[in-house]
Amino acid sequence: SAVISQKPSRDICQRGTSLTIQCQVDSQVTMMFWYRQQPGQSLTLIATANQGSEATYESGFVIDKFPISRPNLTFSTLTVSNMSPEDSSIYLCSVESQVHTGELFFGEGSRLTVL
Amino acid sequence: QKEVEQNSGPLSVPEGAIASLNCTYSDRGSQSFFWYRQYSGKSPELIMSIYSNGDKEDGRFTAQLNKASQYVSLLIRDSQPSDSATYLCAVNNYGQNFVFGPGTRLSVLP
Repeated sequence: SAVISQKPSRDICQRGTSLTIQCQVDSQVTMMFWYRQQPGQSLTLIATANQGSEATYESGFVIDKFPISRPNLTFSTLTVSNMSPEDSSIYLCSVESQVHTGELFFGEGSRLTVL
Repeated sequence: QKEVEQNSGPLSVPEGAIASLNCTYSDRGSQSFFWYRQYSGKSPELIMSIYSNGDKEDGRFTAQLNKASQYVSLLIRDSQPSDSATYLCAVNNYGQNFVFGPGTRLSVLP
């Protein structure tokens, strides 16, 4: 299994500010996934980050609001821009198993509260 | 719209009983199926995967898949209080993204 480190683990942010979440994986992976989990709800995919190319965003998510960087095969960042209280959520970084296709491993998540 | 549905619960079972968690999915092209466990305040962790029709057993856990009925279930035998968590069903069609269900909250009562 992959070891995924995320930071910050939690933060309290003011409306209108932006926050960047970092995700570090202990092995090289082709794709990294960013999910959002709003309170009491399941996981929603925000975007898929491939090294060396633009991230692919899911319906309802746009690059201006959630810019993503993927500078190498072990690291990615997700920025939540111009935050509002509706962005209060847990943001999870995820990678796919290199052994068993389709199995996902998740970081510990970043819990954001926007006031 | 590809969907995965689960009963939100909470599902309460006494310690030692069998907990049965159910999941249905809409995409007939789905090829891989997963159950994740998520403790409160923690990230999801994979507990079972199943790819073909029938049963797959791993310790106290059994996953059951019926592609004709578009149905996948998870049985937890000899339920323990430590099994209390939210269980997420996830479905994947190779080359496409995972779709997660809303999760079923399980409570195992001592």
